[in-house]
Amino acid sequence: GAGVSQTPSNKVTEKGKYVELRCDPISGHTALYWYRQSLGQGPEFLIYFQGTGAADDSGLPNDRFFAVRPEGSVSTLKIQRTERGDSAMYLCASSLAGGPQETQYFGPGTRLLVL
Amino acid sequence: KQEVTQIPAALSVPEGENLVLNCSFTDSAIYNLQWFRQDPGKGLTSLLLIQSSQREQTSGRLNASLDKSSGRSTLYIAASQPGDSATYLCADRGGGSNYKLTFGKGTLLTVNP
Repeated sequence: GAGVSQTPSNKVTEKGKYVELRCDPISGHTALYWYRQSLGQGPEFLIYFQGTGAADDSGLPNDRFFAVRPEGSVSTLKIQRTERGDSAMYLCASSLAGGPQETQYFGPGTRLLVL
Repeated sequence: KQEVTQIPAALSVPEGENLVLNCSFTDSAIYNLQWFRQDPGKGLTSLLLIQSSQREQTSGRLNASLDKSSGRSTLYIAASQPGDSATYLCADRGGGSNYKLTFGKGTLLTVNP
C-alpha cells in the first residue's frame, strides 16, 4: 500500500476485555514501531520490531501488553484485561530498515476507549 | 532520560503571519530531529527531518533549524494559512537509542482567517 494502515480506526471495549490492534506497514519496510499517545501528550514508544523479532519491548507498560509480527510484515498489538487507563491513541510507524537516519512514517492510529 | 519540551503549548495567529515554533531537548547526542503535523484525532504526518550533521531543512513554506549544541530546534512557517491549523510535534532520535523517537507534547496552532 501507499502508506501505513491501521485497523480498526476506533475501538470501544469494556474493562477487562481483550483487544487486538492491527498495523500494516509500508511494503518493504523491515522496521516497525508502536507508540501510545494519551490525550494532550506526545506519543510514547512501546515496542520496536526488526523483521519478525521484537528488538526492543522496553516501552510496554506491563505484561498485559504484547505484540507480534510473525511474518515480518503485519503486526498486532494485543492488550489483555483492558483497564480504563489503557484508553489512548495507538500509533504504528514503519521505516525502511531501522537505521538512525531514516524517517518514520506513521499510520492514522487506532483510538481505543475502555469503558 | 531524554526530555523534549515545546513552547508555546498553544498559539493563535491571523492568516498571513509568519511564525516560529520552538522545541528544546536535554541530551544533545541526537541522530536527528523530526517535525510532525497532527490533525485532531488523526495520525502523524512527517514534515521535515534534520540530520544531526545538518543545520536546517526546507519544504515549501516550512523551514526547520537545528542547533545541537544548545539543544534547540525551530519550525518556521511563512505566510500562515487556516489550513495550517493543527498540532505540531517535534521528536528527536537519540538519548542512547538510534530508533526510538522521544516526542514533545506539541504546539496547538490556530490560524484565523
